[in-house]
Amino acid sequence: QQQVKQSPQSLIVQKGGISIINCAYENTAFDYFPWYQQFPGKGPALLIAIRPDVSEKKEGRFTISFNKSAKQFSLHIMDSQPGDSATYFCAASKRNSWGKLQFGAGTQVVVTP
Amino acid sequence: DGGITQSPKYLFRKEGQNVTLSCEQNLNHDAMYWYRQDPGQGLRLIYYSQIVNDFQKGDIAEGYSVSREKKESFPLTVTSAQKNPTAFYLCASSFTGSHQPQHFGDGTRLSIL
Repeated sequence: QQQVKQSPQSLIVQKGGISIINCAYENTAFDYFPWYQQFPGKGPALLIAIRPDVSEKKEGRFTISFNKSAKQFSLHIMDSQPGDSATYFCAASKRNSWGKLQFGAGTQVVVTP
Repeated sequence: DGGITQSPKYLFRKEGQNVTLSCEQNLNHDAMYWYRQDPGQGLRLIYYSQIVNDFQKGDIAEGYSVSREKKESFPLTVTSAQKNPTAFYLCASSFTGSHQPQHFGDGTRLSIL
């Protein structure tokens, strides 16, 4: 079963709007939470990552919010652009796990002009 | 330019046939990974290797085999024992140590004839 649950499966947002993707986990041993962006026919690329000692991390228009007590984290894409149209994956890993990542099922984001 | 090269981009397999997917990296990474991507299921780990001549099973290793004879190369063989091999296969690499970002190739799409 999936150790990281991601929602929604897909979303459509207008240019300039905010895209929000949510992920939840159960294993409290997870201590690293990256987000990957994937364009069609390409491999995923690391977008932004957070550790549980901070509640928010921002890089440009992308922000991760982290709620340790709720075991949830989310990606916010501000001022969404058509070039942001892609599939986004959240993931989680544990310390000393040889880099093993548990991925969410992915969210397909479409930004309309 | 450093990166990960996967070949071929598309591969077709006949029933009962083994096929080998190539993955080469020139990023000087010690760790390499193979993932399988199916629609709506995210990425699932097949095998991973932290060092030459050593590799470990991931979550869905049945029907697959790997070798790691060189640091730069981590080929994946999809054997006839894998009953549902049609998928998008992604190779990744990273430095060893906790929470190193994984860099992905552009994948190989395998289909059954």
